[in-house]
Amino acid sequence: GEDVEQSLFLSVREGDSSVINCTYTDSSSTYLYWYKQEPGAGLQLLTYIFSNMDMKQDQRLTVLLNKKDKHLSLRIADTQTGDSAIYFCAVNAGNNRKLIWGLGTSLAVNP
Amino acid sequence: NAGVTQTPKFQVLKTGQSMTLQCAQDMNHEYMSWYRQDPGMGLRLIHYSVGAGITDQGEVPNGYNVSRSTTEDFPLRLLSAAPSQTSVYFCASTTGSSGGPQYFGPGTRLLVL
Repeated sequence: GEDVEQSLFLSVREGDSSVINCTYTDSSSTYLYWYKQEPGAGLQLLTYIFSNMDMKQDQRLTVLLNKKDKHLSLRIADTQTGDSAIYFCAVNAGNNRKLIWGLGTSLAVNP
Repeated sequence: NAGVTQTPKFQVLKTGQSMTLQCAQDMNHEYMSWYRQDPGMGLRLIHYSVGAGITDQGEVPNGYNVSRSTTEDFPLRLLSAAPSQTSVYFCASTTGSSGGPQYFGPGTRLLVL
């Protein structure tokens, strides 16, 4: 069945760039998302990209999509301690609104 | 707009009790869904609705009921709570026919003893 995979942990130093990677199996996914979850909080939509795009930039966030390899990445420039959170990759299952979720990447930002 | 709201924020139940988790959205979204989040398991879809009067099962529907009498509200009912239902529950909504960003409520933390 459809699957989304992410590495579980990433540790970076404050001020460095963070890159969180995600691979997915459903080639018909039209929307690909990144959500952020801080401890004890809900899921905040960070950004998303349509499948007909290669890149989307939004302030410190850059999303890259390699549709051939089914690979999605989220780059956070100038990472701050406030960026410490779990980041979830999600894709819609085919041409509908069900989402397939990765297990999340826990980002630790060290001062 | 308040977005997606959920009540209560926290709840403790005894095994066998029933309760309803409330979810409401004021964005006129057609699609609403319920997820549970457990450590190491990610988010799993419980039930979803594509519009008022229409509901369907997700991957883990057993032990839960839903109804959608209005566009705004999508309550989740636990019929007879079990310790395995201890989890964090999130409600989400979106619009559009083929996808689009899903917006989440703040979650309900449920402990079943």
